[in-house]
Amino acid sequence: DAMVIQNPRYQVTQFGKPVTLSCSQTLNHNVMYWYQQKSSQAPKLLFHYYDKDFNNEADTPDNFQSRRPNTSFCFLDIRSPGLGDAAMYLCATRGGGMSYNEQFFGPGTRLTVL
Amino acid sequence: QKEVEQNSGPLSVPEGAIASLNCTYSDRGSQSFFWYRQYSGKSPELIMSIYSNGDKEDGRFTAQLNKASQYVSLLIRDSQPSDSATYLCAVKANTDKLIFGTGTRLQVFP
Repeated sequence: DAMVIQNPRYQVTQFGKPVTLSCSQTLNHNVMYWYQQKSSQAPKLLFHYYDKDFNNEADTPDNFQSRRPNTSFCFLDIRSPGLGDAAMYLCATRGGGMSYNEQFFGPGTRLTVL
Repeated sequence: QKEVEQNSGPLSVPEGAIASLNCTYSDRGSQSFFWYRQYSGKSPELIMSIYSNGDKEDGRFTAQLNKASQYVSLLIRDSQPSDSATYLCAVKANTDKLIFGTGTRLQVFP
């Protein structure tokens, strides 16, 4: 089945130790998103790619970076995680066919910062 | 004023009843409207999308859109305990981005 995959599902890191989260998709969608979601809050958009075009949200800290080496993969790099970065990180994709406007989420990566 | 507003709940309904979830939005240019269901600790799952005024039905779910009133709702008929979750309303204008509400927590009790 076509899907959005995130690895790892759970990530524990130490304060200040860089971490990379990955997302892959078999939907061949041209738009990929990274969201941060904290408990009882709405997902917060960090950035998104439209094909190779990178779009950063104005309030996304510089500590968060992203790479999209090809259509299928997208990475979220947190250069120096702080305690406030503990959250669920969600990857989503959009694009193609009748469901062009619909965003589909992966299962998420739960990040814990010690 | 928040861009997408939802009552945080919890909304408690008995099993078999109709659950009514409401959402208002501020951007009159909004064109696409979505309802996501999110179980605790899981990612959002798209359950309904609606683009034009009126009702759209899919199984036990009905989405209702009124652009003049800037209002979108989700009705869940014959509510089941498995419907207990947080329901996120999301709105898209003429951009690549969705604006999410903070969600309404629904509890269906047996």
